[in-house]
Amino acid sequence: TQLLEQSPQFLSIQEGENLTVYCNSSSVFSSLQWYRQEPGEGPVLLVTVVTGGEVKKLKRLTFQFGDARKDSSLHITAAQPGDTGLYLCAGARYGNNRLAFGKGNQVVVIP
Amino acid sequence: KAGVTQTPRYLIKTRGQQVTLSCSPISGHRSVSWYQQTPGQGLQFLFEYFSETQRNKGNFPGRFSGRQFSNSRSEMNVSTLELGDSALYLCASSLTGGSTDTQYFGPGTRLTVL
Repeated sequence: TQLLEQSPQFLSIQEGENLTVYCNSSSVFSSLQWYRQEPGEGPVLLVTVVTGGEVKKLKRLTFQFGDARKDSSLHITAAQPGDTGLYLCAGARYGNNRLAFGKGNQVVVIP
Repeated sequence: KAGVTQTPRYLIKTRGQQVTLSCSPISGHRSVSWYQQTPGQGLQFLFEYFSETQRNKGNFPGRFSGRQFSNSRSEMNVSTLELGDSALYLCASSLTGGSTDTQYFGPGTRLTVL
């Protein structure tokens, strides 16, 4: 059983459209991170959220940590081809430094 | 500042063989974690080393082992390879390995077991 479930698994959209992907769990996390991974490379950290209800923005990307600290969402405004990649969420549970990863949201932005 | 490097980048082995993968962390980072990434299971944690000691271990069989040297470089070893061990093996380094500490991933080693 995956600790973190990401949905949708695959999403293809046209350039300029908006999209939202989700990361859900029944567990509570002390912090949650989002990474983007491109083919042939390792994941690159985008953001870390630590407070329930927290919203962080990174240019056109908006990350939200759920109030109950069990889920998170990533919203991309006016997607561009450079946003194409595998978006991974990873959570750290209280008292455990080990990160648990979801399987990822594969996003393809078509020019 | 050089990033995390992993060698080799690609490896082809046959069942029953063993393999050693290497990871050089970012200078100054003392924590190195290893992950296995497959399409079916995603990224799964193998183990974490900090100051030459294994600090955390995932749910993998004993065929998977690792070590860390005094310069923080790390190796992982897989013995008696099975077809299911085919995967991208990623290592990540961070300063201390804390849950909010930024992990920097290497490009991975693509292992194919025939």
